[in-house]
Amino acid sequence: GNSVTQMEGPVTLSEEAFLTINCTYTATGYPSLFWYVQYPGEGLQLLLKATKADDKGSNKGFEATYRKETTSFHLEKGSVQVSDSAVYFCALNNNAGNMLTFGGGTRLMVKP
Amino acid sequence: SAVISQKPSRDICQRGTSLTIQCQVDSQVTMMFWYRQQPGQSLTLIATANQGSEATYESGFVIDKFPISRPNLTFSTLTVSNMSPEDSSIYLCSGRTSGLTGELFFGEGSRLTVL
Repeated sequence: GNSVTQMEGPVTLSEEAFLTINCTYTATGYPSLFWYVQYPGEGLQLLLKATKADDKGSNKGFEATYRKETTSFHLEKGSVQVSDSAVYFCALNNNAGNMLTFGGGTRLMVKP
Repeated sequence: SAVISQKPSRDICQRGTSLTIQCQVDSQVTMMFWYRQQPGQSLTLIATANQGSEATYESGFVIDKFPISRPNLTFSTLTVSNMSPEDSSIYLCSGRTSGLTGELFFGEGSRLTVL
């Protein structure tokens, strides 16, 4: 079956630090990969996506590259801000059932 | 993109009662799903809401506990029946529009606390 594994949090960083949140997956076929963000008290928002190997998704300074050889989709940002504090979820869709399979989520806390 | 509205946004419920959550989408979606997010946890799929027919439930979820309706392409309801404190969670409605590469849009969730 499909599964997504994320690094456990919380991840605590100082403002302007470099961020990496690791995500690896197991899936049949060729899944699409996503990062969602959940700010406190809110629902999930799509942050970025990649639909095939070597694609790079990017948005709001965040980036992630679809690495088929390592089955990974790590999220990176060069300089985090306090406003980036949220829970980040990695997810995949293998198109068979149209639903998303989510990782466990990683809480990011950015201190000024 | 689609905008998904849920209500209630939060509620406090008594043990043994039932609550219906409504989900309205501002445009037609091909698929609608209901997820549960228990405190501090990730999202777990409850079921796929099928228009005009019975929902498709995931393992561990049953229709008697979580009846779902989807009378048209833009509206769905989830009922949490005979609630217990273990049902305290955020319930999220999501939808997928045609032509996109698999991403889902989410409502802001309904946070239920069962006493």
